[in-house]
Amino acid sequence: DAKTTQPTSMDCAEGRAANLPCNHSTISGNEYVYWYRQIHSQGPQYIIHGLKNNETNEMASLIITEDRKSSTLILPHATLRDTAVYYCIVRSGRGSTLGRLYFGRGTQLTVWP
Amino acid sequence: DGGITQSPKYLFRKEGQNVTLSCEQNLNHDAMYWYRQDPGQGLRLIYYSQIVNDFQKGDIAEGYSVSREKKESFPLTVTSAQKNPTAFYLCASSWTGEQPQHFGDGTRLSIL
Repeated sequence: DAKTTQPTSMDCAEGRAANLPCNHSTISGNEYVYWYRQIHSQGPQYIIHGLKNNETNEMASLIITEDRKSSTLILPHATLRDTAVYYCIVRSGRGSTLGRLYFGRGTQLTVWP
Repeated sequence: DGGITQSPKYLFRKEGQNVTLSCEQNLNHDAMYWYRQDPGQGLRLIYYSQIVNDFQKGDIAEGYSVSREKKESFPLTVTSAQKNPTAFYLCASSWTGEQPQHFGDGTRLSIL
């Protein structure tokens, strides 16, 4: 599975959009981009995933560049409860790696009042 | 409500003892997973199971064992062979290996 690179930390004012970047320059054609977040001492929470088209759900939007080498997770109106570590994961879910999620260290997002 | 239940939330073990962590899901998911998380680190895969009575080793399976006798249950045993068992253990499940995984709230294991 492709490795990902994320900033160690970011902050954002409450009510503003939080834009979390992720580089995955070695992504291959059948690999999806997944985003999870983890609030301290809890299990990770699935946010969104996509292959090449932009995706939106009730939690966030995922923007994937045309060459698929990077993506951005957008939380449109950040709240204090969005403070968490955000993980960007790229995986194919095929063959011997089926089901594996490779977590890096993620981005610590801090939303301040 | 559907979800994944891990118990206990906190667990203490004496050196040399085996201990079993419980993971139950009522989501009717076929696939289940165990991860380990150390402070300041991401998650590492211990074992996973795509179907009842079948499971595969992940990246750090040494010192651990699992069973999958029922679809809804995937217990993890931390054996005395695991030299550094203190960690936060997370269980997850998904419809298939390709679908998003949903996580429990974890068990924090400490050695006395």
